[in-house]
Amino acid sequence: GQNIDQPTEMTATEGAIVQINCTYQTSGFNGLFWYQQHAGEAPTFLSYNVLDGLEEKGRFSSFLSRSKGYSYLLLKELQMKDSASYLCAVMDSNYQLIWGAGTKLIIKP
Amino acid sequence: DAGVIQSPRHEVTEMGQEVTLRCKPISGHDYLFWYRQTMMRGLELLIYFNNNVPIDDSGMPEDRFSAKMPNASFSTLKIQPSEPRDSAVYFCASSFGREGPDTQYFGPGTRLTVL
Repeated sequence: GQNIDQPTEMTATEGAIVQINCTYQTSGFNGLFWYQQHAGEAPTFLSYNVLDGLEEKGRFSSFLSRSKGYSYLLLKELQMKDSASYLCAVMDSNYQLIWGAGTKLIIKP
Repeated sequence: DAGVIQSPRHEVTEMGQEVTLRCKPISGHDYLFWYRQTMMRGLELLIYFNNNVPIDDSGMPEDRFSAKMPNASFSTLKIQPSEPRDSAVYFCASSFGREGPDTQYFGPGTRLTVL
């Protein structure tokens, strides 16, 4: 079967760095996405990785290792507004997005 | 540019009533997706369209659910009759596509409550 695993909840301190991990087992691979979802709002696109390595976009970076079926989202200089759920999703060989359950990130002052 | 537009934003109805949710995708996008999100089950794909044609409806829970896309700028998701377990947030998303769908952009969602 197809499976995406990510921690249910994480807590971090304002100004710090946090890494949210995602492991996956899917039928084929056509890229990995990270979305941010604030409570009561829609998911918004953060990043896309299809090749191994690190993609940096401002305070956010996303890493992919296809051989290990592993990705992480790194958030630096955390701000209170980063409190949200972070969804990992993998596009399989049929171009279907397989979604993780999301990681709820709580930022404390 | 306008994003994905959904209406209504909130819907409260009684069990047994018909519910129709509406979506306007981003102009030029050729894929449209309907999702349902609940605390228990997370984000679930219900159905998706490519160039107005339904491609995969295996996520549609049962015959009470139906979806149409009569043209490139409009889609509906209908529930008839509605049941309390249908209470959820329903999202519409759209994307470009080459070999398959690309990055998906979500609408604000419709929060459905069935009493």
